Amino acid sequence: NAGVTQTPKFQVLKTGQSMTLQCAQDMNHEYMSWYRQDPGMGLRLIHYSVGAGITDQGEVPNGYNVSRSTTEDFPLRLLSAAPSQTSVYFCASSYSITSGSGELFFGEGSRLTVL
Amino acid sequence: QKEVEQDPGPLSVPEGAIVSLNCTYSNSAFQYFMWYRQYSRKGPELLMYTYSSGNKEDGRFTAQVDKSSKYISLFIRDSQPSDSATYLCAMDRGSTLGRLYFGRGTQLTVWP
Repeated sequence: NAGVTQTPKFQVLKTGQSMTLQCAQDMNHEYMSWYRQDPGMGLRLIHYSVGAGITDQGEVPNGYNVSRSTTEDFPLRLLSAAPSQTSVYFCASSYSITSGSGELFFGEGSRLTVL
Repeated sequence: QKEVEQDPGPLSVPEGAIVSLNCTYSNSAFQYFMWYRQYSRKGPELLMYTYSSGNKEDGRFTAQVDKSSKYISLFIRDSQPSDSATYLCAMDRGSTLGRLYFGRGTQLTVWP
C-alpha cells in the first residue's frame, strides 16, 4: 500500500530552469493538493484539485502550474525556477472533497533547492 | 495577522511530563480543528480531529476547542521520547475542502 508517492525526493535547479514534481496516489482519492513548507511559515497551499480536470489556486500559486488528467496523478510544474521557490514541497490527498472528513494523507516531501 | 497563530517553540520537556500545545485563530467561521504530527524529514500525519467546541480524548492525547475564545489545545500526558516531533494545528471552514489553514507548527523534544 504505497499511499502518496512523490518524486524526486531531492532536486537542485539553477535559476530559470523548469521542472515537474510528480505526485501519485493509489487510494482513489478525489482531492489532491500541493503545499510548500518553509521555516517559520508553516504549510502554505499552492494548488488543489477536487477531481480529474478540476484545479484551483491556493494561497501561493504564482510561479507554479498544475493539471489533473487522471484521479491518481497531480504533477506540479515550476515554470521558471527562482531562489524564492527553494522549499520542501508536499503533495496531499483526501478521500472526500467536503470538509468534515478531516484527514489529509501526505507524501514524504520533495526538497528543492534553486541556486 | 495570520488566520492561525501557533508558537513555534521549540519546547523541550522530560519524559513523563504533561505537554500543552496551543493555537489561536481569528476566523470565527472555522468549524473543523485538527492536529497533525510531523516527524523529521517526513510528511505530516493526522493525530486528532475535532468538530466545533469540546474535548476529544485518544489515549494519551486530548484535544480541546474553545470557539468562544478562538483557542485550541493539544495535551499530551505521560510524554515519551517517541512524541518528539513538530505538531501543527489546522482548521477548516466547512463545505468544500478548498484549503486547510495551518499553524506554523511547534517543535517538541521529549528527553529521556
